[in-house]
Amino acid sequence: NAGVMQNPRHLVRRRGQEARLRCSPMKGHSHVYWYRQLPEEGLKFMVYLQKENIIDESGMPKERFSAEFPKEGPSILRIQQVVRGDSAAYFCASSLSRHNEKLFFGSGTQLSVL
Amino acid sequence: DQQVKQNSPSLSVQEGRISILNCDYTNSMFDYFLWYKKYPAEGPTFLISISSIKDKNEDGRFTVFLNKSAKHLSLHIVPSQPGDSAVYFCAASEDDKIIFGKGTRLHILP
Repeated sequence: NAGVMQNPRHLVRRRGQEARLRCSPMKGHSHVYWYRQLPEEGLKFMVYLQKENIIDESGMPKERFSAEFPKEGPSILRIQQVVRGDSAAYFCASSLSRHNEKLFFGSGTQLSVL
Repeated sequence: DQQVKQNSPSLSVQEGRISILNCDYTNSMFDYFLWYKKYPAEGPTFLISISSIKDKNEDGRFTVFLNKSAKHLSLHIVPSQPGDSAVYFCAASEDDKIIFGKGTRLHILP
C-alpha cells in the first residue's frame, strides 16, 4: 500500500501527557502537511514541511505543538501537555512537489484527551 | 476569519438528479480551487480542481464552475449516485498551503 500512512488511528491521552502522531507520506513524496479537524469544523492548516525543513508553520499554535520531518523516517506531530481542547482528528497529507494542489491524505489520527 | 465559506452544512438530493454544492471565498489571490470528498473515518480524497484563469472544468459526472467576479464556485454532480453521499470540502490554494471550508454533507436519497 503506497498511500499516506498515519498511526495510530486512535490515541487516548490524559491531560498533561504528550501525544505523538506519525505520518509516512506516499512513496516519492517529500512534502508533508498537517491539518486538524475539530468537531463540526473544516480542516485547519497547521504546518507544511519538506524533508528536514519547516516551510510554513503559520497554523501551528505557538506553544506545546511542534512538527518535524527528518531525513529518514516519518513526519511527527508532537503535542506536549495535552489539554481537552486538543481533542480532534489530525490529518496528514503529502504531495509530489511544492505548489502542487493535489494532496493525498491519510486516514487521520483521532486524538481524545481525557 | 473564514476565507473559504460553505454556507450549507448539508444537502439532500434525489438519486439521478443534479447535486449542486456552493462555495464562496474572500481572497482574490487564490490561484487554484479544489473539491475534496470525505467518507467517515477516512481522509479526504481529491475530486476535481480549477485554475483561477478558467471558469469551468469537467471530469465525468463532476463539473466545477468558477465565477471570479462573484468570488464563487460550485460543484455539479450529475447524475447523483448513492456513492456520492459524503462530505464535500471546497478548498483554495494560496502560496504553500491549501485552505479548506467547513464542508457540506451530501445525502443522496433513493
